[in-house]
Amino acid sequence: DTEVTQTPKHLVMGMTNKKSLKCEQHMGHRAMYWYKQKAKKPPELMFVYSYEKLSINESVPSRFSPECPNSSLLNLHLHALQPEDSALYLCASSQVGTASGTDTQYFGPGTRLTVL
Amino acid sequence: KNQVEQSPQSLIILEGKNCTLQCNYTVSPFSNLRWYKQDTGRGPVSLTIMTFSENTKSNGRYTATLDADTKQSSLHITASQLSDSASYICVVSPYSSASKIIFGSGTRLSIRP
Repeated sequence: DTEVTQTPKHLVMGMTNKKSLKCEQHMGHRAMYWYKQKAKKPPELMFVYSYEKLSINESVPSRFSPECPNSSLLNLHLHALQPEDSALYLCASSQVGTASGTDTQYFGPGTRLTVL
Repeated sequence: KNQVEQSPQSLIILEGKNCTLQCNYTVSPFSNLRWYKQDTGRGPVSLTIMTFSENTKSNGRYTATLDADTKQSSLHITASQLSDSASYICVVSPYSSASKIIFGSGTRLSIRP
């Protein structure tokens, strides 16, 4: 099973709302990632968890709060977002989080977020 | 500066024809290079992955090549199908960090009947 699942598929929220994005994988991967992707642009790395610990935060605003409850789950909590935060949010996982010859990141289908 | 550049930006070909997409990179030290296919509004799907010692890798009608000396890669698609319409993204991993992979801007491929 090489599947990463994400819920919800679509999310519309107001600037005062609090919502969460969820990601799950059952491949035994110990590294999980959040990316933000705007239309016609490549994904931008937001956060990396390695062995359930936050290892990389790419200077993401505090209105985005990641959480890794266990090795299979990754959440992204959203609060007081801005319209410019509207994008496709992608979750990915990989076998290891350190340098490796064939460490492939497997991506989920994404959550399309619209902030009104 | 670690960069990945892809060409062309977009490409339109007729169904059944072949095409080749290009990727040049300046990532150093190099660990591996992957090609991903991304349908609109969906997550990228890995097509091939190549390390320094590999020159070519095939996945069905997709064949990727790598020249580590010139730091160039190509993705050749044979007998294109309508379902091949997507963005193709070249991604390079620096050896120092498999987490911070470097994405190219992608080639948007459209297959016309």
